[in-house]
Amino acid sequence: DAGITQSPRYKITETGRQVTLMCHQTWSHSYMFWYRQDLGHGLRLIYYSAAADITDKGEVPDGYVVSRSKTENFPLTLESATRSQTSVYFCASSESGPGAGSGNTIYFGEGSWLTVV
Amino acid sequence: AQSVTQPDIHITVSEGASLELRCNYSYGATPYLFWYVQSPGQGLQLLLKYFSGDTLVQGIKGFEAEFKRSQSSFNLRKPSVHWSDAAEYFCAVGVAGSARQLTFGSGTQLTVLP
Repeated sequence: DAGITQSPRYKITETGRQVTLMCHQTWSHSYMFWYRQDLGHGLRLIYYSAAADITDKGEVPDGYVVSRSKTENFPLTLESATRSQTSVYFCASSESGPGAGSGNTIYFGEGSWLTVV
Repeated sequence: AQSVTQPDIHITVSEGASLELRCNYSYGATPYLFWYVQSPGQGLQLLLKYFSGDTLVQGIKGFEAEFKRSQSSFNLRKPSVHWSDAAEYFCAVGVAGSARQLTFGSGTQLTVLP
């Protein structure tokens, strides 16, 4: 099925370890996003990408690294995981930016639950 | 910068009752406004969006929302709630011409009583 696939769906890791969350979309959408969801904060943007090889910081980028060598993939790496990065991570994509004149729709993956112990 | 406030953290309604979820935004110009729903263990699904035109917007699953510029609000409504509507609802605001992502409210958890 077409859509956004995130992996792993559930991950427990130790403080200081490197973790990579994978995101793959089959729509060839230009824009891709990574959010984290924490109780009381809603969703906060970590990084986004407007196209392959173009990425930019969101609201909470510290401690995260992204890359986008191919349009369909947008991995998120925690270089040295901390307990404060325990969260649910959502990848999303859209055909164009959310500020586009069409009020472009953003599609979300099912989330990756990450626990850092 | 834009911001979104959802004043109600948790709302409980009986099945068949009407529903209104509140959303207030702060932004200097006309915003793009969205309502998303998140079922347990799932990602977010778009219910409806407003970016111009008619201020009463119809969405999926029988939901509607009304943009009121004078009140900076975009409240979500449903005339008769079904048990399957139990979920968390997020309001979000986007900025015209901005590639940066939506700003989300902190969400309203809806419980539906039988």
